[in-house]
Amino acid sequence: DGGITQSPKYLFRKEGQNVTLSCEQNLNHDAMYWYRQDPGQGLRLIYYSQIVNDFQKGDIAEGYSVSREKKESFPLTVTSAQKNPTAFYLCASSPGTGPVMKTFGSGTRLTVV
Amino acid sequence: KQEVTQIPAALSVPEGENLVLNCSFTDSAIYNLQWFRQDPGKGLTSLLLIQSSQREQTSGRLNASLDKSSGRSTLYIAASQPGDSATYLCAVRGGGGSYIPTFGRGTSLIVHP
Repeated sequence: DGGITQSPKYLFRKEGQNVTLSCEQNLNHDAMYWYRQDPGQGLRLIYYSQIVNDFQKGDIAEGYSVSREKKESFPLTVTSAQKNPTAFYLCASSPGTGPVMKTFGSGTRLTVV
Repeated sequence: KQEVTQIPAALSVPEGENLVLNCSFTDSAIYNLQWFRQDPGKGLTSLLLIQSSQREQTSGRLNASLDKSSGRSTLYIAASQPGDSATYLCAVRGGGGSYIPTFGRGTSLIVHP
């Protein structure tokens, strides 16, 4: 079955470390997105990519970086510059900028220890 | 910038009740509106997608309506069941000069037996 796979499900980071969250999709979708969700909050867009080798900053890109070297993969790196990284991270994809909205992964919960 | 508000933030009801969840948005120039369900610690599951030209969509016990001119959508859940317990999120695509979806903070629903 087609879908989005996020790994790991749980991730712990020490202060000052960079960590990378994986997102892979086999839906042949052009666009991929990273969202951050905090308790009681809506989803906030971190980065998005419409095509390979191109990506755009979302509302809260500071302290994060991404790459899009392959259509099916859109990894997110949480850098040490992100001062409050503890959150639930969701990856999503969509066929493009057309009317159909996203398919979501099951999320990665990142905790700073 | 598009802003999306969901009311109520939380709702607890006995099984069997008919429910109305509300979503409002500030810019009516939208492409579409989508309702999602999120179970605790999980990703989002799409429930209903309403295009800007449509007034409502139905799926089983769920009915979503859209009134673009007033910037409102409602999700109606008929004959609620304990399995409906989850957080329901509304996302609006378009408005505020962007095609990127904007999410509300969600309504946390508990249906008790």
